Amino acid sequence: GEDVEQSLFLSVREGDSSVINCTYTDSSSTYLYWYKQEPGAGLQLLTYIFSNMDMKQDQRLTVLLNKKDKHLSLRIADTQTGDSAIYFCAVAYSSASKIIFGSGTRLSIRP
Amino acid sequence: EAGVTQFPSHSVIEKGQTVTLRCDPISGHDNLYWYRRVMGKEIKFLLHFVKESKQDESGMPNNRFLAERTGGTYSTLKVQPAELEDSGVYFCASSRTSGRPEQYFGPGTRLTVT
Repeated sequence: GEDVEQSLFLSVREGDSSVINCTYTDSSSTYLYWYKQEPGAGLQLLTYIFSNMDMKQDQRLTVLLNKKDKHLSLRIADTQTGDSAIYFCAVAYSSASKIIFGSGTRLSIRP
Repeated sequence: EAGVTQFPSHSVIEKGQTVTLRCDPISGHDNLYWYRRVMGKEIKFLLHFVKESKQDESGMPNNRFLAERTGGTYSTLKVQPAELEDSGVYFCASSRTSGRPEQYFGPGTRLTVT
């Protein structure tokens, strides 16, 4: 089955850029997502990218997809304390199918 | 537009008891999903409703879990009898049947089985 891998922890200095990486195994994944979970809260859909795209930018967020290497990354520019959260990489085969999640990367911000 | 809501937010029960979780999807969303995160591991898919029909229940762990979606609106997930390994956070999500891939998640129900 599909496997989604991401590192467990990332620590960055406030104001720097954060880059969270993710790899997946099934090249037929059509939609690739980033979700954010703040402490005590549910999952917030940050952004998603279609598999036929290489990049998507939305304000401080940049998603890069390397389909050949099955590698997805999320870059957060000018990281702020409010960005502290767990970030989940996830994939789906179709628009209505189940989503397969990675374990989540806990992003911590140091002053 | 109200988001996905779940009730209760937290439930503590003893092993062998029954618990029923409820999810109210976003109005107009025909797709409803249940997921769970156990012991800080990955968030795992449980099942998918399209309106009142089960589209995919491949993630249901065993027959102690029963999901229903009455009239294609809210959904319930019953665990009977609960076991220790059922502890975790149960998430519900919903989406439109429009070809758009966005699934919107609720805040989750934290289930603790003692």
